[in-house]
Amino acid sequence: ILNVEQSPQSLHVQEGDSTNFTCSFPSSNFYALHWYRWETAKSPEALFVMTLNGDEKKKGRISATLNTKEGYSYLYIKGSQPEDSATYLCAFMRGATNKLIFGTGTLLAVQP
Amino acid sequence: DTAVSQTPKYLVTQMGNDKSIKCEQNLGHDTMYWYKQDSKKFLKIMFSYNNKELIINETVPNRFSPKSPDKAHLNLHINSLELGDSAVYFCASSQEGTQWTDTQYFGPGTRLTVL
Repeated sequence: ILNVEQSPQSLHVQEGDSTNFTCSFPSSNFYALHWYRWETAKSPEALFVMTLNGDEKKKGRISATLNTKEGYSYLYIKGSQPEDSATYLCAFMRGATNKLIFGTGTLLAVQP
Repeated sequence: DTAVSQTPKYLVTQMGNDKSIKCEQNLGHDTMYWYKQDSKKFLKIMFSYNNKELIINETVPNRFSPKSPDKAHLNLHINSLELGDSAVYFCASSQEGTQWTDTQYFGPGTRLTVL
């Protein structure tokens, strides 16, 4: 059984705090890892696609790292803002299958 | 302009009925998907089509039948609806050449409630 696990399940931070969360996935036959941001009542929105061990991606205050050998990826948000409040999903692709396996997400709430 | 659109947004129906959910993308993408968000909030792949050809067919009951009249549309038809089919269904699309690493663009979801 293929499991993608995200931790923590939820996170409450104050505006201005920096935060990070983890996505763990099986390390064998890694192909790609996706990060999505999902605001309530909206559609998931792509943040990053990562394919190489040691990849680091950045978009504004959000960045991500990837370790395919040990099977984890970190998502960092620097100086959280209330508009960052959302569920952050990671999704793993094993082999060139075009099939994404999603985690249940980390729900981030940023208090003003 | 909505990139990936789904209709209807909400669908309430009786057990045993047959219903369809439509999906259209105007991004010129080659690949389209249907996902089901289950009660534990997992997004699970159901089907994927590339240029109107079925490429992923997960272990979904055969009451669910996708239909792709052209590469911009992927509709989901469900026969003999059951209570357990109640969920939010998301359509998505991606450019997908041959590398399967393109980001997926999601529609707004269709909340199906079976009474």
